[in-house]
Formats: sequence, C-alpha cells, structure tokens
Amino acid sequence: DAGVIQSPRHEVTEMGQEVTLRCKPISGHNSLFWYRQTMMRGLELLIYFNNNVPIDDSGMPEDRFSAKMPNASFSTLKIQPSEPRDSAVYFCASRTTGSGGNTIYFGEGSWLTVV
Amino acid sequence: DAKTTQPTSMDCAEGRAANLPCNHSTISGNEYVYWYRQIHSQGPQYIIHGLKNNETNEMASLIITEDRKSSTLILPHATLRDTAVYYCIVRVDLGGKLIFGQGTTLQVKP
Repeated sequence: DAGVIQSPRHEVTEMGQEVTLRCKPISGHNSLFWYRQTMMRGLELLIYFNNNVPIDDSGMPEDRFSAKMPNASFSTLKIQPSEPRDSAVYFCASRTTGSGGNTIYFGEGSWLTVV
Repeated sequence: DAKTTQPTSMDCAEGRAANLPCNHSTISGNEYVYWYRQIHSQGPQYIIHGLKNNETNEMASLIITEDRKSSTLILPHATLRDTAVYYCIVRVDLGGKLIFGQGTTLQVKP
C-alpha cells in the first residue's frame, strides 16, 4: 500500500512568495495531521482534520498559514506570504478512526527553505 | 495528555539490547503509552503501544510498570540502523492527536 504522499519534497522560495504544500493521505484514513519540525521547536502539531473537517487548528502559527482538506484524499497547507522563519520540514500524517486506528502514519516530509 | 520525561541521549553497542526509559507519572487510567522513532531526514515511525500489559512486536518490546508511571522500550538486538530519536507519548487511545516531546537520541555504535 502507498503511504502518505507529500509534495514537493524540497522547495526553496523567496520571502514573500506563496508556498503550497500538498498531501495525499493513506486511502481509507479519515484523520489527517500537519506537523512542522525545526531544530529549535521540535515537532509541532499545526492542525488536524477528521472526515475533512478541521478539528484543532490551535497550532497554526498565524494568519499567514492556512490548511484545507477539500476531499478525503487531498489536503494543502498554504503559507502566504512566506518568511525565512517558516523554513522547516512539514510533515503530513494520517490514520483511521475505525477499529485498529491507533497508528498514525507519517509522510516523508516537505523540506521548505525561505530565503 | 500526560507529560513524559525521557533522557536526552543514550548510547548502545551494536548487537546489544537498547533499553529506553520513559517517565509518565501523571498518566491517567485511559491513557496509552506510544513509542515512535524518527530516523534522520525521515518522518516519524510507529513502533509499539500499550495500556497496562507488556507488549511485543517484531520491532520492540514495551515494559510498563505496574503503577503505570514509567515504561521501557526495549530493542533486543540494536543495529546501526536503529540510530534515531525515540519519542515516548502518552495519550487517550482514540484521541485525535500526537504531541511530541524532545525524545531520546539513541546512538548505536559499532
């Protein structure tokens, strides 16, 4: 089975540009999570969705960040405008809330550098 | 979710057992202990979880004390590929989110 698929894997952009990160969760999973990882702050949960509905976005740093999940197989995390302090690895993860839904599976991450 | 405390780093000789401790003294009765690891440049990977009883799978064993205030993850025969950051997380089983602490950096040495 394909795991959580993220794109792009690496992106370098200039400050002020819009950045869109994409995620395809594992088929059949109905919860999706966006995390950010930096050396200073470690792994931080930004937002998560259940059945395409945002449940907790308290980790979203500020209004420049937005996340959407238009359907069960696709989610985006957008940063507009981007700033150098947004440079990080962004992970998407998914799980099912049905029986056996204890495990959260992570993608390989999107490495973002804002210069 | 209850807070966990882990050592910052540990070393282990290749082929020996790696025993990674975790303290979770404020754990509630309905909270599970989860272990994930993150190998450099990769996404976190699930290892094992448990509630009260000890658990074993193909990757590791989890030993939970009777009072559930601490646990130990055991990698029975550590290899160089087990070098990673190991995270101990306590949460309600069907709770939505995983909150990561700083974890333990395990260095397996030849």
